[in-house]
Amino acid sequence: GNSVTQMEGPVTLSEEAFLTINCTYTATGYPSLFWYVQYPGEGLQLLLKATKADDKGSNKGFEATYRKETTSFHLEKGSVQVSDSAVYFCALLDSGGYQKVTFGIGTKLQVIP
Amino acid sequence: EAGVTQFPSHSVIEKGQTVTLRCDPISGHDNLYWYRRVMGKEIKFLLHFVKESKQDESGMPNNRFLAERTGGTYSTLKVQPAELEDSGVYFCASSIQGRSGELFFGEGSRLTVL
Repeated sequence: GNSVTQMEGPVTLSEEAFLTINCTYTATGYPSLFWYVQYPGEGLQLLLKATKADDKGSNKGFEATYRKETTSFHLEKGSVQVSDSAVYFCALLDSGGYQKVTFGIGTKLQVIP
Repeated sequence: EAGVTQFPSHSVIEKGQTVTLRCDPISGHDNLYWYRRVMGKEIKFLLHFVKESKQDESGMPNNRFLAERTGGTYSTLKVQPAELEDSGVYFCASSIQGRSGELFFGEGSRLTVL
């Protein structure tokens, strides 16, 4: 079946540090890939997506590139801010079958001033 | 435009009792999903409605869980009788047809079974 593996947190960084959160996946077919973010006290919201190999998704300074050869979709940001403190979920949508999204375990990021 | 709303935000019940969670999706969203996150673990799929029909309920843990979606609008998830392992956060999400991966989530309903 489909699965998403992401690094377990928590990850603690100083403001303006570089962020990488690793994500790898297992899926049949050619999935679409997503990063969702959950800020404290809120529901999850879509951060960025990529629908095919070599696509780069980007939003709010975050980027992730769909790497089919390594089945990865790592999230990066060049300079994090305190307001980026949240839980980040990697996810995939399989290209066939029923349209359900599979999530990873979530990585908690804490950015300190 | 109103987002996805869930009620209650937190429910504390004793083992053996019944709880009903409600979700109001974004108006016009045909897809409605229920997910559950147990502490420290991944968000797990429970089921998927397209309008009022159950498209996929492969994630429902057992027959103590019953989901309905009246007239293709709001949805309820009933747990009867509740067990300790049912504790967790239940998320509802909706999406428009053709954009199934772009989910809009509610804030979740936290269920604590004592």
